Amino acid sequence: SAVISQKPSRDICQRGTSLTIQCQVDSQVTMMFWYRQQPGQSLTLIATANQGSEATYESGFVIDKFPISRPNLTFSTLTVSNMSPEDSSIYLCSVGQPIMNTEAFFGQGTRLTVV
Amino acid sequence: AQSVTQLDSHVSVSEGTPVLLRCNYSSSYSPSLFWYVQHPNKGLQLLLKYTSAATLVKGINGFEAEFKKSETSFHLTKPSAHMSDAAEYFCVVTPVRAGGTSYGKLTFGQGTILTVHP
Repeated sequence: SAVISQKPSRDICQRGTSLTIQCQVDSQVTMMFWYRQQPGQSLTLIATANQGSEATYESGFVIDKFPISRPNLTFSTLTVSNMSPEDSSIYLCSVGQPIMNTEAFFGQGTRLTVV
Repeated sequence: AQSVTQLDSHVSVSEGTPVLLRCNYSSSYSPSLFWYVQHPNKGLQLLLKYTSAATLVKGINGFEAEFKKSETSFHLTKPSAHMSDAAEYFCVVTPVRAGGTSYGKLTFGQGTILTVHP
């Protein structure tokens, strides 16, 4: 299993500003992912954070809006840029291994409110 | 491509009665399937997983699910609901590539909110 720490746990931000969310894992993991859970909705994958290369973004998400860093195998950041109220969501970090029989583990999430 | 459909957005049961949360999936590859639970203001917790071994999977807290390939279903059941089961439940799929490796990317269903009445 993996223990994931996410910071901050919640924040209230002004529109037009940016927030960087940190994800720290207690062991080296190959794959790290960032998800968004909008109010009353399910989780949607934003991107796969790749160590040593650019993140891979899902349809509808772009690097300029959600820049991601992955400097090593235990840490990643997601930045929500130029925020608007529509960005108010829970953002979750997830880790997994690219082998069968392994589930994904999730951080507690960052609850973001943009005012 | 893969997708998950949870057939009920809300399910309400009385304590001590059976629980059934329905899930249908589609996947281009052989899937791994999971059920996660999310209690209010808490993180996601894995209930159980199917990874091509036994089709009847037992999980934590008395939950189990049966993988039915012919019906592309993975319904979650529990014989007797407890008040502490009240939460939101997500059915999740990830494709498994030939050779047994998983992409690791998860596709979530829309979620089912389970309410348990005394």
